Amino acid sequence: GQQLNQSPQSMFIQEGEDVSMNCTSSSIFNTWLWYKQDPGEGPVLLIALYKAGELTSNGRLTAQFGITRKDSFLNISASIPSDVGIYFCAGKNSGGSNYKLTFGKGTLLTVNP
Amino acid sequence: DGGITQSPKYLFRKEGQNVTLSCEQNLNHDAMYWYRQDPGQGLRLIYYSQIVNDFQKGDIAEGYSVSREKKESFPLTVTSAQKNPTAFYLCASGYRGNYGYTFGSGTRLTVV
Repeated sequence: GQQLNQSPQSMFIQEGEDVSMNCTSSSIFNTWLWYKQDPGEGPVLLIALYKAGELTSNGRLTAQFGITRKDSFLNISASIPSDVGIYFCAGKNSGGSNYKLTFGKGTLLTVNP
Repeated sequence: DGGITQSPKYLFRKEGQNVTLSCEQNLNHDAMYWYRQDPGQGLRLIYYSQIVNDFQKGDIAEGYSVSREKKESFPLTVTSAQKNPTAFYLCASGYRGNYGYTFGSGTRLTVV
């Protein structure tokens, strides 16, 4: 089946630093999504990307849909303590009858104040 | 307000008992999904349903069962056949097509 390789697995940074994480796939996706999960809660959608090459921002977050449609990255600028959590990438290919999201294994972000 | 509700938040059961986790959404989403989350494992798909009265197995369906009698509801039963049921369970819903999912807040199941 489809697999997403998300890296890094974990990051420990100081408050104020910028963060970058990425996902690569063996398959082409039509949609790339980035979620954040706080401890003990469900993931919340941060950014959705629908077009190859698309660059989208949401506050301090910026994400891009790779030109090859097989990769995406998420940047967080000027990190703050509440950025702590697990960040998941997800890809979706609605071809045929497959409407499932494929998730990366997540990047655990720790921000030291 | 529209949303997706999972209940209960915490659930304790004795080994060998079946247990049903509730998931209800009022977002008018066609598709619903159940995921299991273990530390370091990411999100693993258990079952999903794209329309009422139809559902498909995900990657780790063994020991689980579901039903989809109403568009709004997609309960998950963890049976005694599931060998390692203690985990965090997440329900999600979404429109069919190139859109993301909305997740519930999860149910943490502990089997003792």
